Amino acid sequence: IAGITQAPTSQILAAGRRMTLRCTQDMRHNAMYWYRQDLGLGLRLIHYSNTAGTTGKGEVPDGYSVSRANTDDFPLTLASAVPSQTSVYFCASSDSVGHEQYFGPGTRLTVT
Amino acid sequence: GNSVTQMEGPVTLSEEAFLTINCTYTATGYPSLFWYVQYPGEGLQLLLKATKADDKGSNKGFEATYRKETTSFHLEKGSVQVSDSAVYFCALSEWDSAGNNRKLIWGLGTSLAVNP
Repeated sequence: IAGITQAPTSQILAAGRRMTLRCTQDMRHNAMYWYRQDLGLGLRLIHYSNTAGTTGKGEVPDGYSVSRANTDDFPLTLASAVPSQTSVYFCASSDSVGHEQYFGPGTRLTVT
Repeated sequence: GNSVTQMEGPVTLSEEAFLTINCTYTATGYPSLFWYVQYPGEGLQLLLKATKADDKGSNKGFEATYRKETTSFHLEKGSVQVSDSAVYFCALSEWDSAGNNRKLIWGLGTSLAVNP
């Protein structure tokens, strides 16, 4: 069982470019989450999805969009990247009651 | 709103020393409490959890007790190893405003370095 996979592992992106970070889970969890991790700021929730077909905004949603077409996949899109989006991005999932969350290995994104 | 406060790091210890990382919280209702660990270059992993007052979570020699009277969930280990060097995050769960999903409220993390 792979758990949660994320792609790419790392990326350097020019400002203004569009980028989609991929996240796939094989645990059949209903809920999925996207976080960004920045030094001194901890983990901040970007968007979440309670179940396939629904999404919600987290603490820092501006500049990001998500979709949840099926249970397994939860891509995060940066429509027009800016340097302040340089961060490490983690995808996570949890069962329907949302107790513990399981994390992917992260994507390190640098926007220049 | 609900919040989690962790002691600031970095914490530097020698191998076999006793570890305490403090975590206090503010919450309405009865949240579940968690400790996660992040090893260098990896994602977060659940270390232990407690779902009600006086519960003790334990794993890999780490322990934490849910203390409602002091709103605390301090992480302890009796004898740390070099391999315990990581960042430790305290978190609590809460329902979102629509009551549809439990989200986690995170502390900022405490970095631990254990020297041989």
